[in-house]
Amino acid sequence: EIVMTQSPATLSVSPGERATLSCRASQSVSSDLAWYRQKPGQAPRLLIYGASTRAAGIPARFSGSGSGTEFTLTISSLQSEDFAVYYCQHYNNWPPSLTFGGGTKVEIK
Amino acid sequence: EVQLVESGGVVVQPGGSLTLSCEASGFTFDDYTMHWVRQSPGRGLEWVALISWDAANTYYADSVKGRFTISRDNNKNSLFLQMNSLASEDTALYYCAKDDGSNYVFDHWGQGTLVTVSS
Repeated sequence: EIVMTQSPATLSVSPGERATLSCRASQSVSSDLAWYRQKPGQAPRLLIYGASTRAAGIPARFSGSGSGTEFTLTISSLQSEDFAVYYCQHYNNWPPSLTFGGGTKVEIK
Repeated sequence: EVQLVESGGVVVQPGGSLTLSCEASGFTFDDYTMHWVRQSPGRGLEWVALISWDAANTYYADSVKGRFTISRDNNKNSLFLQMNSLASEDTALYYCAKDDGSNYVFDHWGQGTLVTVSS
């Protein structure tokens, strides 16, 4: 089973600043990686899939990069709604394997 | 607008059974694979099961295999999760989620229904 590890657990950032979040896979997952944002009391929302493709309606301040075992989500200028928890997710079509990382909480500095 | 509305979450005793439902609207339900995903403080986000558009294929996480059954009724735009032999570690908020159609990623989620397994 592929294990996804996110770091840091908590990131303190000031509004308007850049945030860089990391996700590491225990073995290569190619580019089969997605990122989600979860605001308090809400369900997760898909931000990025294919490691770097923004989902529909996601603003350009969100960007994803990486392949293999190392991935990064960058938020170029944090807005108030971006203070939330972010999860990465590996997906594999056959056999179906869908695993989440433990999350990174982005909090106001 | 895509909407997914879960229901059926309750407090149930260990060893008990429960069926969750999810009513979908705003998209062509029988075009898409659907998923159940759960979230708990102890286990974080965990994918539970998926079912193909035609119900021909189902897959489960190892943690629920043999105890949970996913099904769908395309005539009623509804998704179900039958849960048997429930244990405390099954306590979680259960989300119904729509597949994006190309990868096993979740492009829409419901608001979840809470299942608590406790005596």
